[in-house]
Amino acid sequence: DSGVTQTPKHLITATGQRVTLRCSPRSGDLSVYWYQQSLDQGLQFLIHYYNGEERAKGNILERFSAQQFPDLHSELNLSSLELGDSALYFCASSVGTGDGETQYFGPGTRLLVL
Amino acid sequence: AQSVTQLDSHVSVSEGTPVLLRCNYSSSYSPSLFWYVQHPNKGLQLLLKYTSAATLVKGINGFEAEFKKSETSFHLTKPSAHMSDAAEYFCVVSYNQAGTALIFGKGTTLSVSS
Repeated sequence: DSGVTQTPKHLITATGQRVTLRCSPRSGDLSVYWYQQSLDQGLQFLIHYYNGEERAKGNILERFSAQQFPDLHSELNLSSLELGDSALYFCASSVGTGDGETQYFGPGTRLLVL
Repeated sequence: AQSVTQLDSHVSVSEGTPVLLRCNYSSSYSPSLFWYVQHPNKGLQLLLKYTSAATLVKGINGFEAEFKKSETSFHLTKPSAHMSDAAEYFCVVSYNQAGTALIFGKGTTLSVSS
């Protein structure tokens, strides 16, 4: 158990809908990261937040947005969902923003868009 | 730009024989490199990491990796495979500017037969 929690574990929804994925980082970690794992794209970095501020963006679609709250938990919002958004979404956390810092991953949220 | 290439998509070994999972990296500066493992329907677990200290890095469960700058390689090895080692292995490089992102290889599936 990494100490990173994600809810829900599974999510089934329809095209065009909007969902929110939630992540609680390990106690003491200020950084939260979101990653998407799909069969065709592999594991891709989406976005990094540090202490409430966005720090880096990867291949995140404009239909997707994220935020980190004062209690350091984070939410990833996915809207106007398409079939291709079906994937496993991971949250990770680390203490700071250093290059060699270990990122601890949560168990993931499996999203299925029908 | 940072990138990693995992040279084998699938490796099969017998229990008790050595494991070698190959990874080459590309980096514009001295990289931080990681190996993560993902067991079926599980999250990602850190096996080991290199951050410009000792070039031979020991990780959990008997795994180790050697950083070779001249060959731009970071291969993962284990002297004797166990059935429980069957999983997906990811070679990862850290990309750091204002924030931090992990860049994942496409993964190597390790199968272990008895």
